[in-house]
Amino acid sequence: GAVVSQHPSWVICKSGTSVKIECRSLDFQATTMFWYRQFPKQSLMLMATSNEGSKATYEQGVEKDKFLINHASLTLSTLTVTSAHPEDSSFYICSAPGTGADTQYFGPGTRLTVL
Amino acid sequence: GQSLEQPSEVTAVEGAIVQINCTYQTSGFYGLSWYQQHDGGAPTFLSYNALDGLEETGRFSSFLSRSDSYGYLLLQELQMKDSASYFCAVLSGGSYIPTFGRGTSLIVHP
Repeated sequence: GAVVSQHPSWVICKSGTSVKIECRSLDFQATTMFWYRQFPKQSLMLMATSNEGSKATYEQGVEKDKFLINHASLTLSTLTVTSAHPEDSSFYICSAPGTGADTQYFGPGTRLTVL
Repeated sequence: GQSLEQPSEVTAVEGAIVQINCTYQTSGFYGLSWYQQHDGGAPTFLSYNALDGLEETGRFSSFLSRSDSYGYLLLQELQMKDSASYFCAVLSGGSYIPTFGRGTSLIVHP
């Protein structure tokens, strides 16, 4: 099946710094990728839809200037958390849709801890 | 808007059968998916129902009733490794982006 990778798998940073998370589709092309955030024991909340070659679409309440998304190629989308604060500590997961409407291929996630 | 309801936690013993229910409210419903997520891991796709009825895949089965806005995931011959969170997710409203429920934590005891 299709494989999506994320890097890094975990990161610890100081408050005020920026962190970049990469999401790659390894064996297929993805014109669209999705970024989710998941707090402990909670559901996956869609943050934004990343579109190759165009601007990302952000969900209501998600600050586009804080969570910068770049989809520079058909296999890579990046999420940059700018000026991170402790409340941004979370599990960030990307996904790419499969050929059918019913499937999503998820990356392994990135655990971000902001001190 | 969309809303999904599923139990927060279910416990069962090895070898047993467990059913995790999911009710939803949405417009333009396409289908209902189920995902499994182990602690610290990413969700993995289990099943998808677009039509009424039961879909069986090995030990796991998923059911959908569109008229009742209801579905369930049935896990048979439970194993310890089945301890995980299970999320139902709806596809609706012209989008193929799933909206996830809050998840059900399944705890399997020996």
